[in-house]
Amino acid sequence: DQQVKQNSPSLSVQEGRISILNCDYTNSMFDYFLWYKKYPAEGPTFLISISSIKDKNEDGRFTVFLNKSAKHLSLHIVPSQPGDSAVYFCAASAGGGADGLTFGKGTHLIIQP
Amino acid sequence: NAGVTQTPKFQVLKTGQSMTLQCAQDMNHNSMYWYRQDPGMGLRLIYYSASEGTTDKGEVPNGYNVSRLNKREFSLRLESAAPSQTSVYFCASSGVRGGHEQFFGPGTRLTVL
Repeated sequence: DQQVKQNSPSLSVQEGRISILNCDYTNSMFDYFLWYKKYPAEGPTFLISISSIKDKNEDGRFTVFLNKSAKHLSLHIVPSQPGDSAVYFCAASAGGGADGLTFGKGTHLIIQP
Repeated sequence: NAGVTQTPKFQVLKTGQSMTLQCAQDMNHNSMYWYRQDPGMGLRLIYYSASEGTTDKGEVPNGYNVSRLNKREFSLRLESAAPSQTSVYFCASSGVRGGHEQFFGPGTRLTVL
């Protein structure tokens, strides 16, 4: 059973508007969450993260929101730019458990000009 | 700094052949990981090494072995390749045990015929 779920395989957003990518998780032991961006034929690159003790983390155009009671997090990109077109992966970790990250299946974000 | 490097970039094997995927990092990180990514799937953890001299199984370890050669290098071996092991393999490293940012290599695309 998938512990990290990204239910939207793709998302199309107009350039300059806000992109909102969603992620749900089921494992209550997860205490750290990350977003990765991936271009074709490249490895994932780290974008932004959030600890379970926070509900928001901001870095430039990127903001991650965490709702622990709903086991839900979202990534907001404002304003969206053409270079943001990529696959975005949500990942989670249980710090006290085994090392490594548990990934969602990814959302393909397409920024339309 | 090169970050995380992987060799080879591409490989085609016949069923039953063996091969070793190489990974090296120059960031003095303690932890290293091997993931595989299949079409439409997120990354899944195969094996990890929390520190030099230790290795542990991840979510999908069957059919693989690993060696943490030294702090820099972590190799993944397929002893008898099967078509189900056709995938893109990513190596990653991190400086902090569990839950924190991992840096990924560019990946090895493996096809088993």
